[in-house]
Amino acid sequence: EVQLVQSGAEVKKPGESLRISCQGFGYRFSNYWINWVRQVPGKGLEWMGTIDPADSNVKYNPSFQAHVTISDDKSISTAYLQWTSLKASDTAIYYCARYFTFDYWGQGTPVTVSS
Amino acid sequence: DIQMTQSPSSLSASVGDRVTITCRASQDIRKDLGWFQQKPGRAPKRLIYTASHLQSGVPSRFSGSGSGTEFTLTINGLQPEDFATYYCLQHNSPPFTFGPGTKVDIK
Repeated sequence: EVQLVQSGAEVKKPGESLRISCQGFGYRFSNYWINWVRQVPGKGLEWMGTIDPADSNVKYNPSFQAHVTISDDKSISTAYLQWTSLKASDTAIYYCARYFTFDYWGQGTPVTVSS
Repeated sequence: DIQMTQSPSSLSASVGDRVTITCRASQDIRKDLGWFQQKPGRAPKRLIYTASHLQSGVPSRFSGSGSGTEFTLTINGLQPEDFATYYCLQHNSPPFTFGPGTKVDIK
């Protein structure tokens, strides 16, 4: 059974760094892109970027490129989304989703950034 | 960037109704479109891929159609568990873009 399992909820202060994760189970991780999607509370879905685990090539949404880093570790079938300096506006739920057709989704990682 | 619009933004319907949601792309995306259902507090779930293919395990009352710039999601015989928000997504050209969503609630 294909599953994407994300890391748990985070509460951070502005300016802090953070890395959240998405681990794939039940399929060959290298064969499928992993996308990251943001959902601000009460709002819609925004695609942030995607990584191809076959070669770790990343495509970013220009709206997010300057602020986040997407990476992976194939040895543990895990993709990451990372910030070096969080802002209050990063408060959201972050989802990972598999492949360019977004066929399987993780359960979401709530991130709260507040002083 | 490809812009996606959805209509209506919300609708009220009764159990058993036929519901149609439309998604329009700002340029030709062939059939590179999916439909997703999201319930409160839950991750989105894919219903339809490549515009008209039903995801395995999704009830057959859901169907999708369209190509190019205009797409439709139809629910034939709305069920209580279908009250949710529905999003379209174009994956033809990055940045991939979602429609703003259509909230379906109980009349």
